[in-house]
Amino acid sequence: AQTVTQSQPEMSVQEAETVTLSCTYDTSENNYYLFWYKQPPSRQMILVIRQEAYKQQNATENRFSVNFQKAAKSFSLKISDSQLGDTAMYFCAFVSRGQFYFGTGTSLTVIP
Amino acid sequence: DSGVTQTPKHLITATGQRVTLRCSPRSGDLSVYWYQQSLDQGLQFLIQYYNGEERAKGNILERFSAQQFPDLHSELNLSSLELGDSALYFCASSGGFLSYEQYFGPGTRLTVT
Repeated sequence: AQTVTQSQPEMSVQEAETVTLSCTYDTSENNYYLFWYKQPPSRQMILVIRQEAYKQQNATENRFSVNFQKAAKSFSLKISDSQLGDTAMYFCAFVSRGQFYFGTGTSLTVIP
Repeated sequence: DSGVTQTPKHLITATGQRVTLRCSPRSGDLSVYWYQQSLDQGLQFLIQYYNGEERAKGNILERFSAQQFPDLHSELNLSSLELGDSALYFCASSGGFLSYEQYFGPGTRLTVT
């Protein structure tokens, strides 16, 4: 069975600092995609970053980057220069064969 | 604004009733996905449609059904509602069958009393 695990229910970071959110997944598939989504208090789901499993290079989007370790089935999100607007719930997601699986989320609070 | 619209924003109904949630995908997107997010939970994938055809099924109850119409909008029908069906229901769309970069609508908050 495919599973996505986010072991950090809550995290906090000082404004302008760097924080890393952890995500592990379990699958026997070789072709899949990984995503991080952000859900601010408005509850809108916003795509932060995506990674294709066949790509060895880690994805980067401005202040957001991932550390993708395929063998370890790990997909962590690093947020650099944290901003108050980064306060949100962050969900790691995995998709394979059209099936989507989301983790239970990490609530991130950026402290002024 | 993701370009995905969902109506209604809020819905309050009683147990045993039936409701229909509507989703309009981004212009040009052929895939529509439905998700359920219960209080303080992650998202549960329910079902995916691509250009009118069902393509993938997740944890969707038999009391729930969905369809995608020729104009690509989609409806999620929830029947024989139970208290536990209270949740935020999201619709998302993407450009193609294997394009998994989804854009989410604002959600419909369903409260079953």
